[in-house]
Amino acid sequence: SQQGEEDPQALSIQEGENATMNCSYKTSINNLQWYRQNSGRGLVHLILIRSNEREKHSGRLRVTLDTSKKSSSLLITASRAADTASYFCALTTDSWGKLQFGAGTQVVVTP
Amino acid sequence: GAVVSQHPSRVICKSGTSVKIECRSLDFQATTMFWYRQFPKQSLMLMATSNEGSKATYEQGVEKDKFLINHASLTLSTLTVTSAHPEDSSFYICSARIDRVIEAFFGQGTRLTVV
Repeated sequence: SQQGEEDPQALSIQEGENATMNCSYKTSINNLQWYRQNSGRGLVHLILIRSNEREKHSGRLRVTLDTSKKSSSLLITASRAADTASYFCALTTDSWGKLQFGAGTQVVVTP
Repeated sequence: GAVVSQHPSRVICKSGTSVKIECRSLDFQATTMFWYRQFPKQSLMLMATSNEGSKATYEQGVEKDKFLINHASLTLSTLTVTSAHPEDSSFYICSARIDRVIEAFFGQGTRLTVV
């Protein structure tokens, strides 16, 4: 079942702008990950944040995690047309590493 | 990074036939593999978890007799859609995990169309 809920469902921005998307969840988590999916393709891992971390950076990506609010955000700074994709948060709640995906945010970056 | 190869990328089959999808970890041994299904513009729904040499664990609502999963080796898992019907048309994606590594590595996905 889907454990994460993301908003917005869709986001349209221009190159150079920042894109922010949020993920809320209901259960306790071991960690939370963000993945990217280009249309009709598999998923690419972007960044992982553990339950005891509050913020992580990777290049133009910034992820925050607030376990008290059960929410996470992904910020893409200085967006590029190549960032056009769907972005999913994924929760890990067990030791097998089973991922529960959010609904996803479809991001379109126009040149 | 680790590479997962999924084959075929697209398949069209007739109703009533069976289709096999392969998921291979090319440069690592995958202790666990996962199979997901994705409908257009929707999220990934986990179908089953498979561990090498043991029976797959299916998620609630997934028919194990319809979606046969075999994880014969540490580098290969297969999903067979048996007696396919048009409603089985979907995008199927596998992922693989290395023991003690949290990150999952995904295949490219298989677009199944049943006509």
